[in-house]
Amino acid sequence: EIVMTQSPATLSVSPGERATLSCKTSQSISSNLAWYQLKPGQAPRFLIYGASTRATGIPARFSGSGSGTEFTLTISSLQSEDFAVYYCQQYNNWPQWTFGQGTKVEIK
Amino acid sequence: EVQLVESGGGLVQPGGSLRLSCAASGFTFSSYGMNWVRQPPGKGLEWLSYIAHSSSAIYYADSVKGRFTISRDNAKNSLYLQMNSLRDEDTAMYYCARAIRDGYDVWGLGTLVTVSS
Repeated sequence: EIVMTQSPATLSVSPGERATLSCKTSQSISSNLAWYQLKPGQAPRFLIYGASTRATGIPARFSGSGSGTEFTLTISSLQSEDFAVYYCQQYNNWPQWTFGQGTKVEIK
Repeated sequence: EVQLVESGGGLVQPGGSLRLSCAASGFTFSSYGMNWVRQPPGKGLEWLSYIAHSSSAIYYADSVKGRFTISRDNAKNSLYLQMNSLRDEDTAMYYCARAIRDGYDVWGLGTLVTVSS
């Protein structure tokens, strides 16, 4: 099983500032990585796939980068609606597409 | 509008059973593989099971293998999860999610399952 490690567990950021979230994998997954946003009472939201491609309708302030074992999700200027928990997911190892443990982005 | 709506959650005693449903609308359900994913309270997401568009392939996580059964009815645009021998650690929000080549692009709001005596 591919183990996903996200850091930090919690990120305190002021509105308008940049947030940088990390996801590391226990083995190389090329660019087979997705990011999701979870907010209470809402359906999880598909943000990024292929490590860096924004899903349909995702604002340009969300960007992803990385390949191999190290990946980053950057939110360039945090809006109030961006405070949430973010998960990375590898889809290199079919069918067990494992998730990281999540990073909570909270208001500073 | 593309939508998934889960139902069937609730309170169940340890050792009991529950059947979850996921109703799909706004897309050709029979063309997509589907998944069940759960999130225990205060914890992260865990993939549970996948079923191919035609039910030709089915997979389970080790944590639920032999206890949970995934199925679908394409005529009814519905996905199911039969959960037997439930344990305290099965307490979670359960989501259905549509699979594409690069992840899960559509999710439902989830249905809460609580296993407790």
